Amino acid sequence: DAKTTQPTSMDCAEGRAANLPCNHSTISGNEYVYWYRQIHSQGPQYIIHGLKNNETNEMASLIITEDRKSSTLILPHATLRDTAVYYCIVRPLDQTGANNLFFGTGTRLTVIP
Amino acid sequence: NAGVTQTPKFRVLKTGQSMTLLCAQDMNHEYMYWYRQDPGMGLRLIHYSVGEGTTAKGEVPDGYNVSRLKKQNFLLGLESAAPSQTSVYFCASSYSPQGQGLNTEAFFGQGTRLTVV
Repeated sequence: DAKTTQPTSMDCAEGRAANLPCNHSTISGNEYVYWYRQIHSQGPQYIIHGLKNNETNEMASLIITEDRKSSTLILPHATLRDTAVYYCIVRPLDQTGANNLFFGTGTRLTVIP
Repeated sequence: NAGVTQTPKFRVLKTGQSMTLLCAQDMNHEYMYWYRQDPGMGLRLIHYSVGEGTTAKGEVPDGYNVSRLKKQNFLLGLESAAPSQTSVYFCASSYSPQGQGLNTEAFFGQGTRLTVV
């Protein structure tokens, strides 16, 4: 399975965009990039996923580089409620379920008032 | 729609005691999972199930057993609890259409905090 590398922690001012990077230089052509987050003491929450095109939903945007070796999760207007640990995960296209969701230690994002 | 519900939310066990954690989902999902999370670490998969009556081992299955007698329930059992099993346990479920190979999001419960003394 492809590994991901994320910064341990980041700060972001409330109302500003939070840009969370993720390196996945060994990603295979059939692997998606997934993002989950975990707010303190709660279960992980799905945010977004993508293969090679940029994706946007009501929560965030996902920017994947052309070579797919890295990606950035963007929270356009961070709020205090976005303070959480953010996990970047890669998983194969042809494997269903969540048995192959390998959570690392993620990035702890702190949104500062 | 309750989503994924875990019971109990907190529990303290003595070493050697047994207990069962219950996970229930009301989304008609085929796949269900049990993870554990220890301080400073990400989630690690214990066991999972791809359908009623089937189970499989994950990354850290030792010391745990599971059963999936009903599609909506996934039970995690500790036959003889050890202090090393002190952790927060998360259950999750996901929908996986047969034969379509789709990647779908997983829905997680709120966790069970277990302390073994």
